[in-house]
Amino acid sequence: DAKTTQPPSMDCAEGRAANLPCNHSTISGNEYVYWYRQIHSQGPQYIIHGLKNNETNEMASLIITEDRKSSTLILPHATLRDTAVYYCIVRADPRSARQLTFGSGTQLTVLP
Amino acid sequence: DAEITQSPRHKITETGRQVTLACHQTWNHNNMFWYRQDLGHGLRLIHYSYGVQDTNKGEVSDGYSVSRSNTEDLPLTLESAASSQTSVYFCASSDPSGGAHEQFFGPGTRLTVL
Repeated sequence: DAKTTQPPSMDCAEGRAANLPCNHSTISGNEYVYWYRQIHSQGPQYIIHGLKNNETNEMASLIITEDRKSSTLILPHATLRDTAVYYCIVRADPRSARQLTFGSGTQLTVLP
Repeated sequence: DAEITQSPRHKITETGRQVTLACHQTWNHNNMFWYRQDLGHGLRLIHYSYGVQDTNKGEVSDGYSVSRSNTEDLPLTLESAASSQTSVYFCASSDPSGGAHEQFFGPGTRLTVL
């Protein structure tokens, strides 16, 4: 699985959009991009995933560059409850049930 | 509602003792995973299972074992607990028929080995 690079920490004002970047320059054509988050002391929570196209769900939007070497997770209106560590993960062939490889992630702090 | 539970939530044990952490999910997912998380590190995979009677070693499997006798449960056993195994342990499951894109995580077990 391709490795990912994320900034260690970011701040965002409450109510503003939080844009979390991730670099995955060695991504292969069959590898998906996943985002999970972990609120303090809780288990990780799935947010969104994508292959090539941009994706949106009730939690967030995922923007993947055309060359797929980087992506951005967007929380459109961040709240204090969005303060968490956000993990960007690249993984191939999810139906083979391969494990998720978590890096260090980005600590997002939403400020009042 | 379907869920994934872990027990106990907190455990203190002594070096050399055998410890078993329970994981139970009610989604009927075939795939189950055990991770550990240490301060300053991301989650690391210990063992995983694709179904009943199937188990596989992960990145940090030394000193741990699992068995899968039914779909709902994947207990994690520390054969002889060591201080290096003090950690927070997370169990997860996913549904391969749904593409296995989403892993559902339990609340975690905090284990302290003295």
